[in-house]
Amino acid sequence: KAGVTQTPRYLIKTRGQQVTLSCSPISGHRSVSWYQQTPGQGLQFLFEYFSETQRNKGNFPGRFSGRQFSNSRSEMNVSTLELGDSALYLCASSLGTEQETQYFGPGTRLLVL
Amino acid sequence: SQQGEEDPQALSIQEGENATMNCSYKTSINNLQWYRQNSGRGLVHLILIRSNEREKHSGRLRVTLDTSKKSSSLLITASRAADTASYFCATDTISGTYKYIFGTGTRLKVLA
Repeated sequence: KAGVTQTPRYLIKTRGQQVTLSCSPISGHRSVSWYQQTPGQGLQFLFEYFSETQRNKGNFPGRFSGRQFSNSRSEMNVSTLELGDSALYLCASSLGTEQETQYFGPGTRLLVL
Repeated sequence: SQQGEEDPQALSIQEGENATMNCSYKTSINNLQWYRQNSGRGLVHLILIRSNEREKHSGRLRVTLDTSKKSSSLLITASRAADTASYFCATDTISGTYKYIFGTGTRLKVLA
């Protein structure tokens, strides 16, 4: 099976712009989770989608949003970018039931100037 | 806030030696997973241990879980230069929120 794919892999934006990142899960997986990784805060949970519904979200401002499509592909959007949004954004997919392994994509590295 | 904290933060060993890293967490869990990350790339899943399990093996990896102490350890035996990476533990809370909390990570360097 193909792994989790994320596009784009690298992105440079300026403050105030918005950005959309995409994640395609492993075939058959219905859950997609998003994480932000920074040197200062480590890996932090953004939100999780299952069957097009957000099941949980982390403690991020409303500028961070996401959605999931009927084919389980997911997008996350960050509006009004700030310098502190520079990070590696990782998505992970799983079957979506409890105690399941999450499989991570390679990440999208976002640089905000 | 971080659920887990890995200890030590950094570890440097010679090839062939064993590496042990520990993870402590704060709340009750359903399961605990260990991941490896090479140089800011995606995370690779290593092993999952459920809250009712005490020990699990996978190749050169051995994971233990002590729910009474809220801690887990990852042992890599006969380490190789290719094991150089950051290692993270991740826990999902027992409330079934489908939300994994990651620890701060241990940076392992294996010297050839």
